Amino acid sequence: NAGVTQTPKFQVLKTGQSMTLQCAQDMNHNSMYWYRQDPGMGLRLIYYSASEGTTDKGEVPNGYNVSRLNKREFSLRLESAAPSQTSVYFCASSEAPGAETQYFGPGTRLLVL
Amino acid sequence: AQSVAQPEDQVNVAEGNPLTVKCTYSVSGNPYLFWYVQYPNRGLQFLLKYITGDNLVKGSYGFEAEFNKSQTSFHLKKPSALVSDSALYFCAVRDPHSGAGSYQLTFGKGTKLSVIP
Repeated sequence: NAGVTQTPKFQVLKTGQSMTLQCAQDMNHNSMYWYRQDPGMGLRLIYYSASEGTTDKGEVPNGYNVSRLNKREFSLRLESAAPSQTSVYFCASSEAPGAETQYFGPGTRLLVL
Repeated sequence: AQSVAQPEDQVNVAEGNPLTVKCTYSVSGNPYLFWYVQYPNRGLQFLLKYITGDNLVKGSYGFEAEFNKSQTSFHLKKPSALVSDSALYFCAVRDPHSGAGSYQLTFGKGTKLSVIP
């Protein structure tokens, strides 16, 4: 039981390049989330998926797209990376939308030059 | 809109002494409140939560937190700090009655706890 896994662990991009961050959970959770963590800012919600087939914007969705591929997987795509997207990205899951406890992956550290 | 404040960027405490990490919140209704801990280069781990009921909530690793509605606070406490408690602590709030945004957790900026041997 791996919980929430994320790939890659670290990535360097040049401005304008695109990439997809992958997230998978093996807890049979219905809801999944993408956050970014910046120094002194805490975690901010980018997008979430309350259940398979649905996605919604969070606090900071601009510059990102998401896909809920199936119940297990929730990917985050940067179509044209910008230096302002340099951050640590965390995926999380929970049993149901709004359920109390979210379980977090280990994070992806992204550097955009 | 919901918000949470952690007024201290860093808290230093001697090993064996009691520790407190402060959190205040703002929501329009009754809040759901959470504490998470983050160790270096790791994801966040759930510590404890307040949903309803007793104002004193006990969680993992000997931590507890007290919900105080009149002061809109949810401070994290531990009677005797360990060096291994050194980490980044996040308070989070959710307003379950805020409509479309009710699924969202809002996190504080985090408080770095350093326990000195």
